Amino acid sequence: DVKVTQSSRYLVKRTGEKVFLECVQDMDHENMFWYRQDPGLGLRLIYFSYDVKMKEKGDIPEGYSVSREKKERFSLILESASTNQTSMYLCASPATNTGELFFGEGSRLTVL
Amino acid sequence: DAKTTQPTSMDCAEGRAANLPCNHSTISGNEYVYWYRQIHSQGPQYIIHGLKNNETNEMASLIITEDRKSSTLILPHATLRDTAVYYCIVRVVDRNTPLVFGKGTRLSVIA
Repeated sequence: DVKVTQSSRYLVKRTGEKVFLECVQDMDHENMFWYRQDPGLGLRLIYFSYDVKMKEKGDIPEGYSVSREKKERFSLILESASTNQTSMYLCASPATNTGELFFGEGSRLTVL
Repeated sequence: DAKTTQPTSMDCAEGRAANLPCNHSTISGNEYVYWYRQIHSQGPQYIIHGLKNNETNEMASLIITEDRKSSTLILPHATLRDTAVYYCIVRVVDRNTPLVFGKGTRLSVIA
C-alpha cells in the first residue's frame, strides 16, 4: 500500500538545468516535507508545507524552491542545478493525529 | 525539538536482543519519543513512539525511563535485515513541526 510516492528514483542532470522533483501522498495529509540526505550530515530539512499554497523554509532552503498547488502534491524545484546539490532527496508526510512520518523511497540526484 | 544523543554505532549478534539507547535530557512534558530506522538506500521507516509509558508493537519495544530523560529501543530477536541506521527523535505532536533528525546509531547485526 503505497503512501508517499516520489516520481524518480534516479536522475542525472547537468549544471544549470532546472530540476523538478515530484512527491505525491495518498493519505489526505495537510503537511509535507522535503529533506536531503548526505553522508555524514544526516537528514536536513529543505522546505515544508502545512497547507495548499503554503510553504515554510527549513534549515537549508538556499538554491531550492517548492510548489504546493494541490494537497496531495509537493514539488521541489532546483532553478539552476549545481554540483553541490548532488544528493538523496526524501519527501515525507506526517499523520495528523500520531505524527508518524511516512517517507517516499527517495530520489537520488546527480548533477554533473 | 529537544536534542538527542545516541551512540554512533553498535553491533549485535543475530538472534540476540538489540538494545539501542537514546538520551534526551531536555525533553519537555509534551514531547514524544519517536524511533525510525533507515535501511541503506531506502527512506526512513517508522518503528514506534511513546510519551511516558513503555510501548510494544510487532517490530520493537520502547522503554522510557521514569524521568523521561532517556529511552531504549529493543529489537527482541535481531536479524540481518535489522541492520540499519536507527534515529531517536523527540517532538511534540504538532502537525506543523517537522521532525529534526540527528546522526542516529548504525546497528550492524552479525551472523
